[in-house]
Amino acid sequence: AQSVTQLGSHVSVSEGALVLLRCNYSSSVPPYLFWYVQYPNQGLQLLLKYTSAATLVKGINGFEAEFKKSETSFHLTKPSAHMSDAAEYFCAVSSPRGYSTLTFGKGTMLLVSP
Amino acid sequence: GAGVSQSPSNKVTEKGKDVELRCDPISGHTALYWYRQSLGQGLEFLIYFQGNSAPDKSGLPSDRFSAERTGGSVSTLTIQRTQQEDSAVYLCASSLGSPRGNTEAFFGQGTRLTVV
Repeated sequence: AQSVTQLGSHVSVSEGALVLLRCNYSSSVPPYLFWYVQYPNQGLQLLLKYTSAATLVKGINGFEAEFKKSETSFHLTKPSAHMSDAAEYFCAVSSPRGYSTLTFGKGTMLLVSP
Repeated sequence: GAGVSQSPSNKVTEKGKDVELRCDPISGHTALYWYRQSLGQGLEFLIYFQGNSAPDKSGLPSDRFSAERTGGSVSTLTIQRTQQEDSAVYLCASSLGSPRGNTEAFFGQGTRLTVV
């Protein structure tokens, strides 16, 4: 069984500040991990994914995430927030064994103030 | 089309009526997923189709919910005797369906269902 926990339903930052969105996972096997972003009234768009290659993964829009097996974490970061980053962010996990669904966390809304 | 297409984009229905939601996946994608997004609930998995295999229906919340995928392409999610708690955004996604689970899922823009 797999699960994802995202700490904080809302995170507020100032423009130019560091963005840190937390994601912890539970999986019986080494997982594949994903971060998706959802802008208002839009579907979900992939930001980045970890599939057992490099543990530091770079994605679109300046975001990156680091897979830490010892901490079962896959936190999303961006050095400097832009107003356009305001959106909801979802962490997801899938299993590398056989076909499987994506299991999502409950999401974190990122608010960026000027 | 270039992406996953869902129709209608918005649907308002009366309690007790049946509704059908449609999803056109990306051509060539063998995997198709339905999720439900409600306020504060995140994305709730409903059903997963992979090629010609039997679908994984483990996420369907009740027997009022059903889905089919015809010809390995278009999918329809049907909700019978709708209830107010069915109000949500229903998202469809498709992917290449790698057996290793590492392929990206592409999402449609969703159908917002409101049951009044």
